[in-house]
Amino acid sequence: EVQLVESGGGLVQPGGSLRLSCAASGFTFITYAMSWVRQAPGKGLEWVSAISGSGSSTNYADSVRGRFTISRDNSKNTLYLQLNSLRAEDTAIYYCAKDRGGSNYDFDYWGQGTLVTVSS
Amino acid sequence: EIVLTQSPATLSLSPGERATLSCRASQSVSSYLAWYQQKPGQAPRLIIYDASNRATGIPARFSGSGSGTDFTLTISSLEPEDFALYYCQQRSNWPLTFGGGTKVEIK
Repeated sequence: EVQLVESGGGLVQPGGSLRLSCAASGFTFITYAMSWVRQAPGKGLEWVSAISGSGSSTNYADSVRGRFTISRDNSKNTLYLQLNSLRAEDTAIYYCAKDRGGSNYDFDYWGQGTLVTVSS
Repeated sequence: EIVLTQSPATLSLSPGERATLSCRASQSVSSYLAWYQQKPGQAPRLIIYDASNRATGIPARFSGSGSGTDFTLTISSLEPEDFALYYCQQRSNWPLTFGGGTKVEIK
């Protein structure tokens, strides 16, 4: 059974940093690209970042490029998102999502999300 | 960036009725469009991928159609568990983008 479990969210002041983690199980992690998708309270879905299975290729939304860094440790079956220079508008539930078929960049499994709140 | 526009924003229907949801892209995405369902407090669930393919475990009452810029998600006969939010997503170009969503609510 595929499982994705996010952690690392919390309350942080504007300008602060957090690192989110997503522990994956139930599939061959290195075979699949992974993404982070966020959802601000009461709002729609926003794709944040994606990384290829090997970790050699990454992509970012313009809204986070230069502030967020996606990475993965395939030996630990774990996906990460480093969030720096956080702003109030980064407040959201952050979901990790598994690629449907390797590197299709649509998502067949999602975690339950971790809440990031940026506030003073 | 490819903008996806979903309509209507809200669809008020009764169980057993047919639901037709639209997603329009600002430029062609070929058939690289997916649909997701999201219920309150839950993560999204993949319903349709590549415009017309049902994801694993999705009932046959869900169908998708379209290509290029115009796409439709149809629920042939609404079940109580189908009342939810629905989002489309394109994977044709970076950045990946989602539509704003359509809420299917009970009339």
